[in-house]
Amino acid sequence: QSVLTQPPSVSGAPGQRVTISCTGSSSNIGAGYDVHWYQQLPGTAPKPLIYDETNRPSGVPDRFSGSRSGTSASLAITGLQAEDEAEYYCQSYDSSLSAWVFGGGTKLTVL
Amino acid sequence: EVQVVESGGGLIQPGGSLRLSCAVSGFTVSSTYMSWVRQAPGKGLECVSLIYTGGTTYYTVSVRGRFTISRDNSKNTLDLQMNSLRAEDTAVYYCASYSSYFDSWGQGTLVTVSS
Repeated sequence: QSVLTQPPSVSGAPGQRVTISCTGSSSNIGAGYDVHWYQQLPGTAPKPLIYDETNRPSGVPDRFSGSRSGTSASLAITGLQAEDEAEYYCQSYDSSLSAWVFGGGTKLTVL
Repeated sequence: EVQVVESGGGLIQPGGSLRLSCAVSGFTVSSTYMSWVRQAPGKGLECVSLIYTGGTTYYTVSVRGRFTISRDNSKNTLDLQMNSLRAEDTAVYYCASYSSYFDSWGQGTLVTVSS
């Protein structure tokens, strides 16, 4: 059971917009700790996608965006492409656990 | 160019020990937080251990007292000494630098604990 809750799977057709939610609590996202997102393509290492809620590392397309509200955060992907099919993880810090925590991951399927 | 390369994984019997190493280029391990993140087969990510620039260390509860993180500034490497290994430690272990997030990752090294 992950501290940060993500839907196990989402799907969308090419060109569509999808969102992935990350629900936390008052000891992590709700406490103001930054939320980060990682993309893991099959058989590869995770790669940073969004950091500090809304920032994209160099090379990440602006089709990817992040937001937060209260104890939750969201990753939005617009103009869905086949190459976006991957596992997506949110990550933050939890003050109750004094630990860096990840969501359980969401598998994105491009139909 | 930043490169992070792990080594040392393999098959080990329960109760055994293994030492993972992470060779870094493009930055120095002493200048940033460094971490080990693992992923059990078919499962999500877990931050196992992290070392601050000042040397303070963090361990997830399940490995405290069994794992030790260390760095060698002269070799620019990060190590993870793993003792008393259990079946549930089976995972791909990633070395990653940490600024405000896990920014540079290696390709991972597989540790399998099985008899």
